[in-house]
Amino acid sequence: AQKITQTQPGMFVQEKEAVTLDCTYDTSDPSYGLFWYKQPSSGEMIFLIYQGSYDQQNATEGRYSLNFQKARKSANLVISASQLGDSAMYFCAMRALLISGSARQLTFGSGTQLTVLP
Amino acid sequence: DGGITQSPKYLFRKEGQNVTLSCEQNLNHDAMYWYRQDPGQGLRLIYYSQIVNDFQKGDIAEGYSVSREKKESFPLTVTSAQKNPTAFYLCASSIGDAGALTQYFGPGTRLLVL
Repeated sequence: AQKITQTQPGMFVQEKEAVTLDCTYDTSDPSYGLFWYKQPSSGEMIFLIYQGSYDQQNATEGRYSLNFQKARKSANLVISASQLGDSAMYFCAMRALLISGSARQLTFGSGTQLTVLP
Repeated sequence: DGGITQSPKYLFRKEGQNVTLSCEQNLNHDAMYWYRQDPGQGLRLIYYSQIVNDFQKGDIAEGYSVSREKKESFPLTVTSAQKNPTAFYLCASSIGDAGALTQYFGPGTRLLVL
């Protein structure tokens, strides 16, 4: 079974500052993928970044980077130079890569509500 | 523009009524998914389909049914057997069902019980 834990229900950051959103996971699968999604108040889930468990380097996508520490089972999202439009709910999710069926489907954390202050 | 559409945006259900949520994609994706989101929580998988005419139960399939007669369409029916259907429903699709492939989401349907 897989489990995602996001321990920060809410976070505040000043505009233009960097912020780290925490995500820890638990899995017995040897190969897995980690995803971050953004959910604005409109409700749509927007894909941000992906990290494979065997990737040698941390993933980056524009202002988003993933601080992946495999031994600590953490996959924190770093947002640099925060903007007012970054205010949203952020979800960490994971998926096993080598097994089939519903056991390989996405497991989501409970999310972190980020508020960017002007 | 390629994307995923869900309709309606809001849906009201009376007691004992079945309602159907629409999900359409023009991304030419093989795999499609239905998730349920309750307030303050993450998403939970209801059903998924890896290919046309095939679908599998997710973690919370009881009280729901789906069909996949066309590649572009994956409607979800919330039956009267679902005793607590009030939630936000999100449809997603991906090129295939391999684990590393990103799922892209529609705008969601909010279901309320009258």
